This record gives sequence, structure tokens and C-alpha cells, in this order.
Amino acid sequence: DVKVTQSSRYLVKRTGEKVFLECVQDMDHENMFWYRQDPGLGLRLIYFSYDVKMKEKGDIPEGYSVSREKKERFSLILESASTNQTSMYLCASSLLWGQGYQPQHFGDGTRLSIL
Amino acid sequence: AQSVSQHNHHVILSEAASLELGCNYSYGGTVNLFWYVQYPGQHLQLLLKYFSGDPLVKGIKGFEAEFIKSKFSFNLRKPSVQWSDTAEYFCAVTPNYGGATNKLIFGTGTLLAVQP
Repeated sequence: DVKVTQSSRYLVKRTGEKVFLECVQDMDHENMFWYRQDPGLGLRLIYFSYDVKMKEKGDIPEGYSVSREKKERFSLILESASTNQTSMYLCASSLLWGQGYQPQHFGDGTRLSIL
Repeated sequence: AQSVSQHNHHVILSEAASLELGCNYSYGGTVNLFWYVQYPGQHLQLLLKYFSGDPLVKGIKGFEAEFIKSKFSFNLRKPSVQWSDTAEYFCAVTPNYGGATNKLIFGTGTLLAVQP
């Protein structure tokens, strides 16, 4: 069974801090994704990566960066956290779609509060 | 830009009632369509998907969805809901570019509460 593990379930940080959210998958998936989930807005894609050291912006990349140094790990970085980044963050992974449809598998999420 | 609309934000039903959740998308080309479900305290999981063929798709736990291309819709249905169906439901679309990493575009979600 695919396992996508997010390092923290709950996190509280202060405005201006640099925040790291970590995600690890155990299925050798090429694709990894970071979303944020807000009430009434659904899931919005922040960044995704289709290979090590490769990244592409999603729909709302402002204020975020990502790092993928190893295939199994995809980190989301809030360079200088602000209160409007308080949200639930979801990580997902999938195989490349070129091999046919491949579902995205989601982690349990990190609920981040910026004070 | 592509978008997905879910018109029902909150739905409250009694057990055994029938369910239909609306989903409309805006994209003129070929699409792949999905419904995801998030049970309280659990991760998001795939309920069903449509890629091609029979527009009536059956998923897990008795759910089904019908793709109506002329209406750009992919509504989710269940004839008789149970208390355990209480969850948030998300419709998602990915334009079929044939690429290796098709991004999912999610709707805003529908919170379903089933009363025993």
C-alpha cells in the first residue's frame, strides 16, 4: 500500500519564520505535489515536481518554494511565514502519467498555524 | 483557465435518502474526471474516475457518477446514503494533454452530513 508521510500533523509558527514542511513517499513515485486546502476554496496546487531537482509552479506559488533533492522526499518551504499562510497543507505523489492513468496518493496533511 | 464548480457547499441528509452532488467544469477539450472523498480525520482518497467509454462510472461504496459532455458535468450519486458517508467530497478535473504529469484542478468541495 502506498504511504505518503507528512512529518507533522500540527505545526505552530510565528510570522517571519522560515518554515519547512516535509513529505516522504515510499513507492518510488516520480511525481510529487503540494496543495493547500482552505474551507470554501478546495485544494489549490502550490508546486509540483516530476523528477529530482525538477519543480514547476502550480496555481498559487507566491510565498513558497520547494526542494526535491531525493526522489522520495519533497519539501515545501515558507520563506517568511505570514498569517495568510495558515492552512492545511497536503502532499501527494503519483507515478508518471505517461505509463497510463496513475492516481495521486495523499498524505494526512499538516495543519499549519502562523501566529 | 480551467475551473471546477461544485454548487452544493453543505448538504444534510437523513440516512437512506438519495444523494446527488453537482460538478461542472470549464474546459473545451478532452478531460479526465474524478471524485475524491475525505472522511473526518482521514486522508483524501479516490472515489471514482472517468477517462473514456461508458459515461456512467461506478466507484467504491455504492457511489456512481455520470459524465454528460454536453453539459460539462460529472455529478456524483448514491441511491441510499449511510451515516458513514459523512465526509467532504471533491470533484477534480485534469485536461487530457497526454503529458506525463497532468495536474488536478479541484472544486471547492461539498460537506455532506448524514443524520442517523
